[in-house]
Amino acid sequence: QVQLQESGPGLVKPSETLSLTCTVSGGSVNNYYWGWIRQPPGKGLEWIGHIYYSGNTNYNPSLKSRVTISVDTSKNQLSLKLSSMTAADTAVYYCARWNEGMDYWGQGTLVTVSS
Amino acid sequence: EIVLTQSPGTLSLSPGERATLSCRASQSVNNNYLVWYQQKPGQAPRLLVFRASIRATGIPDRFSGSGSGTDFTLTIGRLEPEDFAVYYCQEHGSSSWTFGQGTKVEIK
Repeated sequence: QVQLQESGPGLVKPSETLSLTCTVSGGSVNNYYWGWIRQPPGKGLEWIGHIYYSGNTNYNPSLKSRVTISVDTSKNQLSLKLSSMTAADTAVYYCARWNEGMDYWGQGTLVTVSS
Repeated sequence: EIVLTQSPGTLSLSPGERATLSCRASQSVNNNYLVWYQQKPGQAPRLLVFRASIRATGIPDRFSGSGSGTDFTLTIGRLEPEDFAVYYCQEHGSSSWTFGQGTKVEIK
């Protein structure tokens, strides 16, 4: 059973860079796309971007200037970096595997932006 | 960038009733690459339907997806108590895999 676990700081200061890691267990990152999605409290889902295991990426145009997604096949992990954080970036951040849709999701991690 | 508009925003129905949810795209979705998810409070979304009409593994057959081009529908044949949730569509026919804003199905 594939499992995904997000990890990283729960609190980030304004203007800082958020760094999150998603560890995949029970399966390999190879041969799949992997995505990051976020959800502000009480609001809908927002696609941040996705990456193929080979490293090819696509980002949400509204976030593209601030986002970097990478994958480490040796560690079976993917990562998300989002720079210049503001209160509007406060959200639950999810990683997920893409297989004709996001078929496996992490439990999500709440990131709050506050000084 | 394709914009997905879901309607209605909220659907108030009773258990046993049929639910019809709409997802309209601002331009044609390539290859009908349209996905539906269900999300319950405090949980990650669950994949229901991919390629507009194919149920994901383990999804009951009361869930059915249809549509093509710019108009897509998720139908829940007879609502069970566990079906009351928020439903999202997502397209992946373009380089931006955007979500709709969601439809909440609530108990009437």
